[in-house]
Amino acid sequence: EPEVTQTPSHQVTQMGQEVILRCVPISNHLYFYWYRQILGQKVEFLVSFYNNEISEKSEIFDDQFSVERPDGSNFTLKIRSTKLEDSAMYFCASSVAPREQYFGPGTRLTVT
Amino acid sequence: RKEVEQDPGPFNVPEGATVAFNCTYSNSASQSFFWYRQDCRKEPKLLMSVYSSGNEDGRFTAQLNRASQYISLLIRDSKLSDSATYLCVDRSSERSGGGADGLTFGKGTHLIIQP
Repeated sequence: EPEVTQTPSHQVTQMGQEVILRCVPISNHLYFYWYRQILGQKVEFLVSFYNNEISEKSEIFDDQFSVERPDGSNFTLKIRSTKLEDSAMYFCASSVAPREQYFGPGTRLTVT
Repeated sequence: RKEVEQDPGPFNVPEGATVAFNCTYSNSASQSFFWYRQDCRKEPKLLMSVYSSGNEDGRFTAQLNRASQYISLLIRDSKLSDSATYLCVDRSSERSGGGADGLTFGKGTHLIIQP
């Protein structure tokens, strides 16, 4: 069964550094998403991407964040200058249509 | 602001019992609803979509009440492997023509099935 994959599984970075989180969505999916979950809190939507552009973004997704689909398979989330409060689990998701979304295993980001 | 509210539990239930939990949503424009399950420190996994007429998938039954803006999940003949956090989710299509709308998650209901 096809799955969304994410790398790395765990990323430790220092405050102020840039990080890039990578995702490979399910191959025939057209809609891509990033979510985050701070430990002990609910899953929060960050951004969605369709047809090579951002479709929707939340208030969390400020100028420090960007997304890119650099080739036909990868979908990346960049955080330009990490803050302590960016420490969270980041989930990528994809869907074939704007309904059921399938999540990857996540990248645990720790900012020190 | 879109909100989905759930009783956090935990619900402690003996194996084989039936358990039900509800959630409420605030956005009357919400189009689609889902139940996901999340195991500790893992990703949300889609359990089932929720349809207006109600739907069943094996031991799981989901119901939607648009007038009262609540969604329910019923689990029959519960198994030890059903122990997880159950996330109530809605998707609000706020723009015409659809698009890649983000999901709004509840905080989840923690379910513990006891042997």
